[in-house]
Amino acid sequence: EVQLVQSGAEVKKPGESLKISCKGSGYSFTSYWIGWVRQMPGKGLEWMGIIYPGDSDTRYSPSFQGQVTISADKSISTAYLQWSSLKASDTAMYYCATAPISYDILTGYYKGSGFDYWGQGTLVTVSS
Amino acid sequence: EIVLTQSPATLSLSPGERATLSCRASQSVSSYLAWYQQKPGQAPRLLIYDASNRATGIPARFSGSGSGTDFTLTISSLEPEDFAVYYCQQRSNWPLMYTFGQGTKLEIK
Repeated sequence: EVQLVQSGAEVKKPGESLKISCKGSGYSFTSYWIGWVRQMPGKGLEWMGIIYPGDSDTRYSPSFQGQVTISADKSISTAYLQWSSLKASDTAMYYCATAPISYDILTGYYKGSGFDYWGQGTLVTVSS
Repeated sequence: EIVLTQSPATLSLSPGERATLSCRASQSVSSYLAWYQQKPGQAPRLLIYDASNRATGIPARFSGSGSGTDFTLTISSLEPEDFAVYYCQQRSNWPLMYTFGQGTKLEIK
């Protein structure tokens, strides 16, 4: 059974750093991209970025580039999302999810869409 | 950056009725479009991928159609558990990135 288990809720002050985690099990961790999604209170879903744990190839949404860092440690099947200096506006639920896309070398295009397995979410609250 | 626009923002229907949700892309996304259902306090659940393929375990009353810029999620006969918020999401190639629509709230009439 595929599972993504995220780290627990966090309460932080503005300016503090934070790293949250997403541990995968039940599948080949290095073979599937993992994406991160933000949901601010009462709002919709926002794609933040995605990483391929096999080689740590990482892509960011322009909205989040430079604001967060996505990484992965394949030795422990865990992906991370981190902030160096939190802001109150970072208060949100953060989800990780697997993305079953594949790269076609011949065409140079990716195939597939959607995030099929999701973590339970990590609530981050930033308040002074 | 591709923008997805969902309509309507809110859809009020009764159990047993047919629901039709729309998602329009600002430029072609081929068939790389997915649909999700999200209930309060829960993570999103993948319903449809590649525009028209049902994800594992999704009931047959959910169907997706479309390609290019116009997509539709249809729920043929609403069950009480279908009332939730629905999002569409696209994936582009160059650069590799995703975007979500703003969501459609399906509420009980």
